[in-house]
Amino acid sequence: GENVEQHPSTLSVQEGDSAVIKCTYSDSASNYFPWYKQELGKGPQLIIDIRSNVGEKKDQRIAVTLNKTAKHFSLHITETQPEDSAVYFCAAGAGSYQLTFGKGTKLSVIP
Amino acid sequence: EPEVTQTPSHQVTQMGQEVILRCVPISNHLYFYWYRQILGQKVEFLVSFYNNEISEKSEIFDDQFSVERPDGSNFTLKIRSTKLEDSAMYFCASSEFLHNEKLFFGSGTQLSVL
Repeated sequence: GENVEQHPSTLSVQEGDSAVIKCTYSDSASNYFPWYKQELGKGPQLIIDIRSNVGEKKDQRIAVTLNKTAKHFSLHITETQPEDSAVYFCAAGAGSYQLTFGKGTKLSVIP
Repeated sequence: EPEVTQTPSHQVTQMGQEVILRCVPISNHLYFYWYRQILGQKVEFLVSFYNNEISEKSEIFDDQFSVERPDGSNFTLKIRSTKLEDSAMYFCASSEFLHNEKLFFGSGTQLSVL
């Protein structure tokens, strides 16, 4: 089955700096890559997703890049704010099988 | 904004007891899911459900687990005889059109098996 590795497990950045979280996947059949943000006591919230026919997608301060050949994808958050502090999960999957999640990255934005 | 709601938020039970976790998916969504997250670990898939039947299930979803959509709005997960290792946060999710894409998650039920 699919295996998703996520790095780093913890990340601290100064407010205003950028944050980058990286994930690799194993199954070349995966074609859908969402990113979820989980705040304390809440469920994962979809923040951005990308399909394998697209190399990059941006939504305001958040961007995701995908390298299909290398089987890795990354989340980029620019101009970080304290409210960006949370646990971020990457995931990989396809319509035919379930999402497999990474272990998560705890992002701390220091004011 | 529509959301997935789960009840109860916390459930404590004795080992061997049956528990039912309840979820109300977003009303126009067609696909329903249960995931779980053991403390500090990754979110794990349990089961997906579409058109009143299971679409897919993981190895975790053994004979002790069952799902049901008893009416037009609720979606339940039953654990027949709970074990200590079933202690986890259980998340319900739903998606509108696409299987396994654009999942919306509820806030979860924290299950503690004593």
